[in-house]
Amino acid sequence: QSALTQPPSASGSPGQSVTISCTGTNSDVGGYNFVSWYQQYPGKAPKLMIYEVTKRPSGVPDRFSGSKSGNTASLTVSGLQAEDEADYYCSSCAGSNNLVFGGGTKLTVL
Amino acid sequence: EVQLVESGGGLVQPGGSLRLSCAASGFAFTAYWMNWVRQAPGKGLEWVAKIKADGSEKYHVDSVKGRFTISRDNAKNSLYLQMNSLRAEDSAVYYCARGQYGFGYWGLGTLVTVSS
Repeated sequence: QSALTQPPSASGSPGQSVTISCTGTNSDVGGYNFVSWYQQYPGKAPKLMIYEVTKRPSGVPDRFSGSKSGNTASLTVSGLQAEDEADYYCSSCAGSNNLVFGGGTKLTVL
Repeated sequence: EVQLVESGGGLVQPGGSLRLSCAASGFAFTAYWMNWVRQAPGKGLEWVAKIKADGSEKYHVDSVKGRFTISRDNAKNSLYLQMNSLRAEDSAVYYCARGQYGFGYWGLGTLVTVSS
């Protein structure tokens, strides 16, 4: 049950696009279409932004999109806004009995 | 409105026990998998345990197996986490979260501190 690998930090200027990667193995990310992405502000609970690799919950702006290729999933934030500055975590089903998170990426809007 | 409200956290000595509770409202509790997820201070998220809607299946992360037990009372719309043999590394904010793989709703969390 090793954590998924995310870059510790990412950044972009307002209006730009940023992509955050989430690398696992064929026992988690590569083996299932159950990758989710969460946004978390300091001191707050996480918020689901993407589920099942590409799906957006109601209310999440379409600037947020998800994808997957092999053992790596990605979250892309287009048209960066100041309010997007937060920590982002990926997660994946890792077999029927387990779920694993990534280490988190701090997104800075320059 | 969906609400998840955790309680039961606090300061406990190493080797001690705590029971966390999560009161659910605003949705059909009996229809959903429920989870506990923790976050140590300044660290990332860690999935701890999950339980099927009817309570028939329970799974725990390896690091808490044999020490923590997830349970639920569907008549009371409540989720629990019994934590025994607590260690310093169990110190974290514990969140309850709804869902099987994607967690669409989270509580605000309850802080557990294991220290002598």
